[in-house]
Amino acid sequence: QITLKESGPTLVKSTQTLTLTCTFTGFSVSTSGVGVGWIRQPPGKALEWLALIYWDDDKRYSPSLKNRLTITKDSSKNQVVITVANMDPVDTATYYCAHSGINTSYSFDHWGQGTLVTVSS
Amino acid sequence: DIQMTQSPSSLSAYVGDRVTITCRASQSINSYLNWYQQKPGKAPKLLIYAASSLQSGVPSRFSGSGSGTDFALSISSLQPEDFATYYCQQSYDTPRTFGQGTKVEMK
Repeated sequence: QITLKESGPTLVKSTQTLTLTCTFTGFSVSTSGVGVGWIRQPPGKALEWLALIYWDDDKRYSPSLKNRLTITKDSSKNQVVITVANMDPVDTATYYCAHSGINTSYSFDHWGQGTLVTVSS
Repeated sequence: DIQMTQSPSSLSAYVGDRVTITCRASQSINSYLNWYQQKPGKAPKLLIYAASSLQSGVPSRFSGSGSGTDFALSISSLQPEDFATYYCQQSYDTPRTFGQGTKVEMK
């Protein structure tokens, strides 16, 4: 059974760097065909993809946020971490991590519960 | 970037109605199209992957169709628990992109 859970601060200030950790069970991020992605959703708005890391350490980023994002994995801890630099109030959103696998056409087939991050000015 | 456009943005329907939501990609994405359901305060849930494959545990009243640039999600007989927002998403290339969502409301 695959589970994921996001953790990190719920409140950050403008210009600070946000660090969120996704801790998961039921799969290994070093298994061929596996990825973990981050997606966010501002209140009342649509889903926005941020970044994805694959089993072979290939990393992909949203072009609109690329200069501010860093994604890493720690296979031994079953964790994927995303950092978002220079936070702004418009970055207030629920942040989700999700499993992406070749078996489901690289869809996001399992999601964490999400964590709401508020950015104060 | 591949743009995903859903229609309609919202719809009202009765329990028992057949509902269809469409999604158009700005370029061909073969069958790399996925559908999600999201209820208020909850994480999205995968319904359909690869355009027409039903995710395990999802009721068979949900179905997906299409390839290339035009896709559809159908609900054969709308149930009370199906009132939610639905998103399409392409997994053909990065950046992964989502549609803007379709909110299905009770009439």
